[in-house]
Amino acid sequence: RKEVEQDPGPFNVPEGATVAFNCTYSNSASQSFFWYRQDCRKEPKLLMSVYSSGNEDGRFTAQLNRASQYISLLIRDSKLSDSATYLCAVTPQAGTALIFGKGTTLSVSS
Amino acid sequence: DTGVSQDPRHKITKRGQNVTFRCDPISEHNRLYWYRQTLGQGPEFLTYFQNEAQLEKSRLLSDRFSAERPKGSFSTLEIQRTEQGDSAMYLCASSPKKTSGGFEQFFGPGTRLTVL
Repeated sequence: RKEVEQDPGPFNVPEGATVAFNCTYSNSASQSFFWYRQDCRKEPKLLMSVYSSGNEDGRFTAQLNRASQYISLLIRDSKLSDSATYLCAVTPQAGTALIFGKGTTLSVSS
Repeated sequence: DTGVSQDPRHKITKRGQNVTFRCDPISEHNRLYWYRQTLGQGPEFLTYFQNEAQLEKSRLLSDRFSAERPKGSFSTLEIQRTEQGDSAMYLCASSPKKTSGGFEQFFGPGTRLTVL
C-alpha cells in the first residue's frame, strides 16, 4: 500500500460545479496535512493546511478524518482557473519531509 | 520577490557529467528541503536541513547525490556522474521556525534537469 494515495482523475466538471477529492494515508501517526495546487510544469503552491476541526478558505473546504485516515478537499462553484493538479501531502512529524500523493487532475470547462 | 529562488531553472547535460543546483530559501526560514518530481508523480523527498545541519536523507539520495547548506542560508545539491534516470524537476522548499503549527513548506520554481 502506498503511503499517500489519491484518485488521479481526471475530474472533468463544468463551471459552477462542486467537486470533492479524497486522499488516504497509511501512517496513522501522521501529524500534519496539506493540500497543494500545481499548474502544468510549475511548482506546487500551498493551497491550505488541514486541521482536525476542518477549515474553510473561500470556496475551498478541507476536512481530516483521522479514524479513517483520509483528508478531503471540496471546491464549490468551480472556476476555469481552478483547473490544475491537486496534491495532498502528509508528514509523520511536523517540520519533516512531506509525503505526497500523485495528485488529482481537475479540468473545469465552460 | 521574496519567495524561494532556484538556479538554474533549466539544465541540460550529458550522461556522466556533474551538475550543481542552488536554492535560496525565504529569508529567515530555517528549514530547507529538496524534492525530486518526475512526470505524473508527486514530489519525492530527498533531504532536508535545519539551519546548516542535514537532518534527514531519503533512500533515494544515492552516493552520487550530495547536498550542503554551509551557512544555514542557501543550499546546493550536486549530482555526480549523472544518469538518464536523474532527469526530473528538482524542487527546493523552505519553512519557517515555528513553535506550533504545521510547518508549511513553500516551494521554489524548480530546476528542470535533462540528462542526454
